[in-house]
Amino acid sequence: AQSVTQLDSHVSVSEGTPVLLRCNYSSSYSPSLFWYVQHPNKGLQLLLKYTSAATLVKGINGFEAEFKKSETSFHLTKPSAHMSDAAEYFCVVSDSNTDKLIFGTGTRLQVFP
Amino acid sequence: DTGVSQDPRHKITKRGQNVTFRCDPISEHNRLYWYRQTLGQGPEFLTYFQNEAQLEKSRLLSDRFSAERPKGSFSTLEIQRTEQGDSAMYLCASTPPQGRGEKLFFGSGTQLSVL
Repeated sequence: AQSVTQLDSHVSVSEGTPVLLRCNYSSSYSPSLFWYVQHPNKGLQLLLKYTSAATLVKGINGFEAEFKKSETSFHLTKPSAHMSDAAEYFCVVSDSNTDKLIFGTGTRLQVFP
Repeated sequence: DTGVSQDPRHKITKRGQNVTFRCDPISEHNRLYWYRQTLGQGPEFLTYFQNEAQLEKSRLLSDRFSAERPKGSFSTLEIQRTEQGDSAMYLCASTPPQGRGEKLFFGSGTQLSVL
């Protein structure tokens, strides 16, 4: 069965500094992996996806993630944090048969001025 | 707005009461999913439909929960004899035919509080 593990429940950074949100996955085959963001009182929004094409995936708002099979990781990064990036971030794996999404427990990103 | 619509946005109920939520997916999306999200956790899969057929139910979905999608369009999720542990955000999502996870569109959810 597929699963994802988000290694940090909270991450705090200063505005303008890099962001790293860590995610490890478990899958018996090549997975489809995603990062979703959830701002307070708003719906889930897709940031980016990996579906076995390029291992470095670029998403919206300057975020990107790199799929590393040898490390079973799919970490999310951004070179320079903005105050508006403060939100909950979820690493997600998709079940290839049902398109069901399996979410990690989330990482709360705080951005300080 | 042609996004996924959920109603109501908030529901407060007393323990033991029945509640029903509605989800209107994006038109022509044949797959519809229900998730539950509790505070500090990621959304957990409850069930999904392909058209009107309910194809999978999570073990989280006790016999007090029932979901329907009678005409393959909107869906309802009913919770009978609510318990305080049912308090959560209930999310609905839909996806078009041949969609993959990137095509999953989420509604804003129904926040249930059981007193």
